[in-house]
Amino acid sequence: GEDVEQSLFLSVREGDSSVINCTYTDSSSTYLYWYKQEPGAGLQLLTYIFSNMDMKQDQRLTVLLNKKDKHLSLRIADTQTGDSAIYFCAESSGAYSGYSTLTFGKGTMLLVSP
Amino acid sequence: EAQVTQNPRYLITVTGKKLTVTCSQNMNHEYMSWYRQDPGLGLRQIYYSMNVEVTDKGDVPEGYKVSRKEKRNFPLILESPSPNQTSLYFCASSLSRRGTYRGYTFGSGTRLTVV
Repeated sequence: GEDVEQSLFLSVREGDSSVINCTYTDSSSTYLYWYKQEPGAGLQLLTYIFSNMDMKQDQRLTVLLNKKDKHLSLRIADTQTGDSAIYFCAESSGAYSGYSTLTFGKGTMLLVSP
Repeated sequence: EAQVTQNPRYLITVTGKKLTVTCSQNMNHEYMSWYRQDPGLGLRQIYYSMNVEVTDKGDVPEGYKVSRKEKRNFPLILESPSPNQTSLYFCASSLSRRGTYRGYTFGSGTRLTVV
């Protein structure tokens, strides 16, 4: 079945850039998403990218998609302590089957130190 | 405000005592789903519903029941809770199972402890 892989942990210093990587297996993905989960909270949609795009920028966030390698990354510029959270990669798989679903990675915990 | 509301936020119960976690959405979404989140295991889908009276098992359905009598509500029922069901539970909804560009909208979570 479909699979989404992420590294489990990333530690950066405040002001640095953070890059969280994700790989997926389903080549028919329509949308790919990044969710953010702050401590004690639910998952919030951070950004998404359509599968026919290579890059999407939204303020401090840059999403890069390499369809050939099935690799997705999230870059956070000028990382702040408030960015400390768990980040989930997700893909909308089985685009043409009519029975698709969102498949989530296990999440990357980002720790930002002052 | 468009949202998914879960209740309760925290629940401590004893083994075998039936409980229900409620989930309600106000976005007229067709698709609703329940997940549990455990350390190192990420999000695992328990049950989902494509529409009223249409439900199906996810990856970890054992020990859980659901119902979808109305479009807005999707309660999760634990008939006889056991300690291995101690977890953080999330309800999510979407216009469709594929999520569209909006993805899924998640509730704030229910932390369940079974002793």
